[in-house]
Amino acid sequence: QQQVKQSPQSLIVQKGGISIINCAYENTAFDYFPWYQQFPGKGPALLIAIRPDVSEKKEGRFTISFNKSAKQFSLHIMDSQPGDSATYFCAVMEYGNKLVFGAGTILRVKS
Amino acid sequence: EPEVTQTPSHQVTQMGQEVILRCVPISNHLYFYWYRQILGQKVEFLVSFYNNEISEKSEIFDDQFSVERPDGSNFTLKIRSTKLEDSAMYFCASSPTLQSNTEAFFGQGTRLTVV
Repeated sequence: QQQVKQSPQSLIVQKGGISIINCAYENTAFDYFPWYQQFPGKGPALLIAIRPDVSEKKEGRFTISFNKSAKQFSLHIMDSQPGDSATYFCAVMEYGNKLVFGAGTILRVKS
Repeated sequence: EPEVTQTPSHQVTQMGQEVILRCVPISNHLYFYWYRQILGQKVEFLVSFYNNEISEKSEIFDDQFSVERPDGSNFTLKIRSTKLEDSAMYFCASSPTLQSNTEAFFGQGTRLTVV
């Protein structure tokens, strides 16, 4: 059972552009929606997270938009930079802090 | 900045051999996890551990797997008889509490290659 669907699989964006990655989930019991950034050879690192009682959260160039009724949330990276090139995973948190990850999006920012 | 450390960074083992992957969680954290990432695939939950016992485990975590906190700092994952399909990156993570919205901190991973 696929609980988190992430798209696109890969994304190429020009430097300065906006990167948008989308996720959809199935279970309405989830109450924490983090995005993780992973560089090659490294573990996932928390980038930004949102709770379902707000529709948007912004931290610097990174914004999560959350649509509870549609059970979707997305990551927007404004003014994308080559250093943002990484794999991005959305996730949902189940009871017990168990994270269920999406399939990942490989982002490449061209300079 | 405190971090989760994992050793070794890369382990090559013969099929059927036992391997132990080691983790040192962040010192004041109480909850510990193992996740697995097969090459090119998503990160998958294996097991969570609290108060010296397993809290939850996934279908992947069968009888070949075990976890242990042998002392006050280490947290280990043992695979009793490795199979080719166990080849993956294994990530240890820890979190300070079980409250919702608590960040889980991940280590850099151990790449396990079963030949």
